[in-house]
Amino acid sequence: GQQLNQSPQSMFIQEGEDVSMNCTSSSIFNTWLWYKQEPGEGPVLLIALYKAGELTSNGRLTAQFGITRKDSFLNISASIPSDVGIYFCAGQPSLQYSGTYKYIFGTGTRLKVLA
Amino acid sequence: DGGITQSPKYLFRKEGQNVTLSCEQNLNHDAMYWYRQDPGQGLRLIYYSQIVNDFQKGDIAEGYSVSREKKESFPLTVTSAQKNPTAFYLCASRDKGQAPNNSPLHFGNGTRLTVT
Repeated sequence: GQQLNQSPQSMFIQEGEDVSMNCTSSSIFNTWLWYKQEPGEGPVLLIALYKAGELTSNGRLTAQFGITRKDSFLNISASIPSDVGIYFCAGQPSLQYSGTYKYIFGTGTRLKVLA
Repeated sequence: DGGITQSPKYLFRKEGQNVTLSCEQNLNHDAMYWYRQDPGQGLRLIYYSQIVNDFQKGDIAEGYSVSREKKESFPLTVTSAQKNPTAFYLCASRDKGQAPNNSPLHFGNGTRLTVT
């Protein structure tokens, strides 16, 4: 099945630093979602994006729906130790191209924050 | 509280046995999904159901079966035909009542299945 290209795969950062990660696709998406998953738990929705160019914040997190509709970015400002986890993007391809309402997931960015 | 409940949290089975994973939601969501997660990989779709008594195969349906007899329940059976059943299984649901093409998935806390 199709998967999104998510980068970086992993990153170690110092507490207080800003973090950026992104997902790209070869096809047009009409929805982008960002999730955080902690060990042994299910993914928790952080931000949902529905329009090209949309910029949405959730506390220290900011995500953007790329203007080309083929990518999305997640930024975390002033990271803290509890930000550690795996961050996944998920996109829903445009119905006219995919014919379904299935979401496609990125492979995740593993974030480790050094105190 | 509304949410998705998966049980059990951990499950151990001998090779050759079928096993059923439970997923219940009280969010009144129409659509439900089963994903499989392996280390270092994204979530892969096993089966999904957009309405009661109907379901479709996802990308890796071989060796699995599901039923959707009630709106709130979507059990997954891992059969002996599944070659590599050891994995973390996630159930999800979404509200299809509004614009179906932009409602997010909500996940349960997963079941870790180990087959030896």
